[in-house]
Amino acid sequence: DAGVIQSPRHEVTEMGQEVTLRCKPISGHDYLFWYRQTMMRGLELLIYFNNNVPIDDSGMPEDRFSAKMPNASFSTLKIQPSEPRDSAVYFCASSLAGQQNIQYFGAGTRLSVL
Amino acid sequence: GENVEQHPSTLSVQEGDSAVIKCTYSDSASNYFPWYKQELGKRPQLIIDIRSNVGEKKDQRIAVTLNKTAKHFSLHITETQPEDSAVYFCAASRPGGSYIPTFGRGTSLIVHP
Repeated sequence: DAGVIQSPRHEVTEMGQEVTLRCKPISGHDYLFWYRQTMMRGLELLIYFNNNVPIDDSGMPEDRFSAKMPNASFSTLKIQPSEPRDSAVYFCASSLAGQQNIQYFGAGTRLSVL
Repeated sequence: GENVEQHPSTLSVQEGDSAVIKCTYSDSASNYFPWYKQELGKRPQLIIDIRSNVGEKKDQRIAVTLNKTAKHFSLHITETQPEDSAVYFCAASRPGGSYIPTFGRGTSLIVHP
């Protein structure tokens, strides 16, 4: 398996634009997680899904952020409108049921909002 | 919920020295403590973990210790090498319906040749 695949690897956009980050989890993994990493706050869990259903989105910073998982092999994290303070590295991770505490991370998307 | 504190935020050592990173957790029900290593520009990857039924675990030059009474656990790296330079994250998770780990803020380890 190729592991968790994220795209794009880098995204540069202007304030106010819509940004969509994409993730393909490891095949057979039931859980999918979205994290944001910044120097100030470290790794923050934004939202996670179980069997495509959002379970906990309490980490989503505000209504500008939304996430979907239309099927077992694809998830998106959308920011609209984007702001400079959203600049960060966004990681997607997946895990097996019963082993949610062992997470496999994607390579991340480095987002820069100018 | 769980709260994980990690110290220090930055650690600089000379090659060959030992490095110790410490974490504390708040939820006494937590029973699984993984450590992730994130090299510059790369993804975090699990390097070692420990469960609450053991006090220490070793894997070559790295070891983790756990003190459940004090609710703290540590990562020990001996004979450090430049390739050990990375950000290290500790995490804690509890059993039951939600195994989702809570991560520490990370420690940036720099090993000088």
